Amino acid sequence: DTEVTQTPKHLVMGMTNKKSLKCEQHMGHRAMYWYKQKAKKPPELMFVYSYEKLSINESVPSRFSPECPNSSLLNLHLHALQPEDSALYLCASSRGRANTEAFFGQGTRLTVV
Amino acid sequence: TQLLEQSPQFLSIQEGENLTVYCNSSSVFSSLQWYRQEPGEGPVLLVTVVTGGEVKKLKRLTFQFGDARKDSSLHITAAQPGDTGLYLCAGARSQAGTALIFGKGTTLSVSS
Repeated sequence: DTEVTQTPKHLVMGMTNKKSLKCEQHMGHRAMYWYKQKAKKPPELMFVYSYEKLSINESVPSRFSPECPNSSLLNLHLHALQPEDSALYLCASSRGRANTEAFFGQGTRLTVV
Repeated sequence: TQLLEQSPQFLSIQEGENLTVYCNSSSVFSSLQWYRQEPGEGPVLLVTVVTGGEVKKLKRLTFQFGDARKDSSLHITAAQPGDTGLYLCAGARSQAGTALIFGKGTTLSVSS
C-alpha cells in the first residue's frame, strides 16, 4: 500500500464553521506533512510531524491546528477561516529522519465562503 | 535560507519537441527530487538524485544533478500531450527539523 488517503476531497465551509481535514497512511512512514497550494503555485509547507511530534510550524495562523493522533493519522483542524484560506490542502508522508521522498495524497479542495 | 529557483516558469510546446527545465540554488543539497503534478492531484515523485554529476533516465525523461549538488535539470525528449503538468523540483531543508521545500514549478503544456 503506497497510498496517502485524504478526506474529504472537497469542502465548502463558512467563516464561522469548524471542520477537520483527515489524512491516513499505512506505509510505516514516521514523517507527515501538511502543505497548502494555491492555483498555479508550488506547495507551501505548513506543518511537519516527525515521530508523532510537531517539529516544524511555518508560522501558520492559529486558526489552523494540526494533530497527529498516531503514526498513521494526521488531522488539520480548521476554525474561523478567511476566504483567502481557500486552497488545495495536501498531506504527505515520508520515511522520516533524512529521507524526504514524499508520497502525497490527492488533497482536499477547500473553499471558504 | 535554502531556496530553489526553477526556470522557465511556463513552457508551451508542440508534440515531438524536446525541452529542458532547470532547478538552481546557491545552497548545496544532499539530494534533489523531481515531482510531477496534474490538476486536482497531489505531486507524484519522479526521481531522486543524490550523487553530484549523477544522471538518471526514466523513459523519455533524463535528470541530472550538478557536480556541486546545487542544481539539477530535467530534459524531456519528444514530448507528448501526456507530459502536460506542473513539474516541481524539491530539496530537503534542514532547519529545526527536516522538511521538503519546493521550487516555484514549471507548467508544461504539450499540444498535439
